[in-house]
Amino acid sequence: KAGVTQTPRYLIKTRGQQVTLSCSPISGHRSVSWYQQTPGQGLQFLFEYFSETQRNKGNFPGRFSGRQFSNSRSEMNVSTLELGDSALYLCASSLSGDHNYGYTFGSGTRLTVV
Amino acid sequence: AQRVTQPEKLLSVFKGAPVELKCNYSYSGSPELFWYVQYSRQRLQLLLRHISRESIKGFTADLNKGETSFHLKKPFAQEEDSAMYYCALSGAGSYQLTFGKGTKLSVIP
Repeated sequence: KAGVTQTPRYLIKTRGQQVTLSCSPISGHRSVSWYQQTPGQGLQFLFEYFSETQRNKGNFPGRFSGRQFSNSRSEMNVSTLELGDSALYLCASSLSGDHNYGYTFGSGTRLTVV
Repeated sequence: AQRVTQPEKLLSVFKGAPVELKCNYSYSGSPELFWYVQYSRQRLQLLLRHISRESIKGFTADLNKGETSFHLKKPFAQEEDSAMYYCALSGAGSYQLTFGKGTKLSVIP
């Protein structure tokens, strides 16, 4: 079966712009989580969605937002980009959100803000 | 607040030597602990979880609530074990993972 697909793979944006990243989960998976990975802070949780509802949100400013569609695909949006937003953004999907059943991660979208 | 600490950024061992990757956590309730691994040019993937008490690729990890640790061990390292290893914690009823900063394991042939 197809894995978690994230698009685009690479993105370069200018400070002040906004960006939308996309994640297609494994078929049948209804939970999608987003993480930001940077060399300094490591992997940090952004938010988790299940059946179009946000159930958990990490400690990120309101510029970071997301949504999930009825087909479980998810998007995250970052507005008013800052240099510090440069990172690898990872999406992970699971059946229900229960970690004991395993999360499958995508390859990520590498965002560079210049 | 929950926190995961992996004290070693880099760990180098010789092939055939025992491996222990350290992980300590801070959490007020009963956590669920995991080890994730990322091999070169591959995606982050779940290696093992404490609740299943399993051994994957020869690796085991025991949750020690007294010492708040979840160290990853393997008796004999193989070259293919070289990778980045992340310890992660999830709180009861939570849908988020808190990751440690990771330890890069390098197995020297």
